[in-house]
Amino acid sequence: SAVISQKPSRDICQRGTSLTIQCQVDSQVTMMFWYRQQPGQSLTLIATANQGSEATYESGFVIDKFPISRPNLTFSTLTVSNMSPEDSSIYLCSVSEDRRQNFGPGTRLLVL
Amino acid sequence: GENVEQHPSTLSVQEGDSAVIKCTYSDSASNYFPWYKQELGKRPQLIIDIRSNVGEKKDQRIAVTLNKTAKHFSLHITETQPEDSAVYFCAAKKNVDTPLVFGKGTRLSVIA
Repeated sequence: SAVISQKPSRDICQRGTSLTIQCQVDSQVTMMFWYRQQPGQSLTLIATANQGSEATYESGFVIDKFPISRPNLTFSTLTVSNMSPEDSSIYLCSVSEDRRQNFGPGTRLLVL
Repeated sequence: GENVEQHPSTLSVQEGDSAVIKCTYSDSASNYFPWYKQELGKRPQLIIDIRSNVGEKKDQRIAVTLNKTAKHFSLHITETQPEDSAVYFCAAKKNVDTPLVFGKGTRLSVIA
């Protein structure tokens, strides 16, 4: 199965700043997904990123707050913009192989 | 869109007993149902999955059953061990290009 890496693994940020999270896959994949996992909660889909087209965002998530890039079939970035303490979460990228989805190790973000 | 309900939210069992976690889904087009185990501080790991053309699947102490008519599926863990303690998530998906939709999770505690 695909090996997924994320950078950074964790970060502590000040409110009002932005953080870009990178997701790298060791094989080419069509679809990449970005999820958020708030403390003690389940995984919530932020958006689906298809190479060569705009990301598709779920209800409650907007491009201005969570811009996503997908420049090629092995890489994607998620930016968390103008952060507030409510953005403190784990952010996970995920890829689909057949129907199975594997997850990156996650980026643990704390906003002060 | 798809909605996945998961019960119970917490479950405590004695070591050696069985544990059952149940999920229901709303979208009859969903046809892939995985279960993930998430240990503290780690990414979700796929432990077993089932496709809609199968009613039951077993892997050692873990089994999953699917009732497509009733739109529900269940995870069964037999002979539980302390290392089974974790949060378990069910999910549903339509096809390779659509994302997983997760249930809210079940925190399983196995008491030695």
